[in-house]
Amino acid sequence: DAGVIQSPRHEVTEMGQEVTLRCKPISGHDYLFWYRQTMMRGLELLIYFNNNVPIDDSGMPEDRFSAKMPNASFSTLKIQPSEPRDSAVYFCASSSSTEIKYNEQFFGPGTRLTVL
Amino acid sequence: GNSVTQMEGPVTLSEEAFLTINCTYTATGYPSLFWYVQYPGEGLQLLLKATKADDKGSNKGFEATYRKETTSFHLEKGSVQVSDSAVYFCALSDRRMNTGFQKLVFGTGTRLLVSP
Repeated sequence: DAGVIQSPRHEVTEMGQEVTLRCKPISGHDYLFWYRQTMMRGLELLIYFNNNVPIDDSGMPEDRFSAKMPNASFSTLKIQPSEPRDSAVYFCASSSSTEIKYNEQFFGPGTRLTVL
Repeated sequence: GNSVTQMEGPVTLSEEAFLTINCTYTATGYPSLFWYVQYPGEGLQLLLKATKADDKGSNKGFEATYRKETTSFHLEKGSVQVSDSAVYFCALSDRRMNTGFQKLVFGTGTRLLVSP
């Protein structure tokens, strides 16, 4: 059974470029989360979806960040334009309604983003 | 607001040594508590959880007891192995009574290094 799939695993880009991170949640899961991990701030929840609908985007740092979930099996996190301070590991996680009350979220391997 | 404080790492141990990683929390109400583990190059995985006071979570030889009186959830293992080398995150749920979703608040993580 495949877990959460993220692509790319590594992304190096230059400041000002657009970056798109992709996530495929576990089949049948109806919750999807985007997290950012940095040394300074630790693990932060950026946004989460339930049944493809964004529920809470209060963690999104600014308007340069946007996330979409066009269907139950795909989500994107876009940064436009990117800045060096966006360099971090971005994780996608998913969960199902039966597991969410106890918060067993299943994480992908992450995308390491470096903005030069 | 809710928060989690973990001991700073790295924690360096020899194989078969006893492990304790301290975690204390601040929360309103009665949160659920969790330990997640992140192996090198991977996403976080749920290690164990406890949903009410005095509960003991256990998995893979790791244990943690929910202590309401000391607001603690320390992680312990009697005999660590090299394969336990990872980053360990303590987390609590931010209980929202009207929905099934409980937003996770993570600590900063503690890196464990086990040498042969």
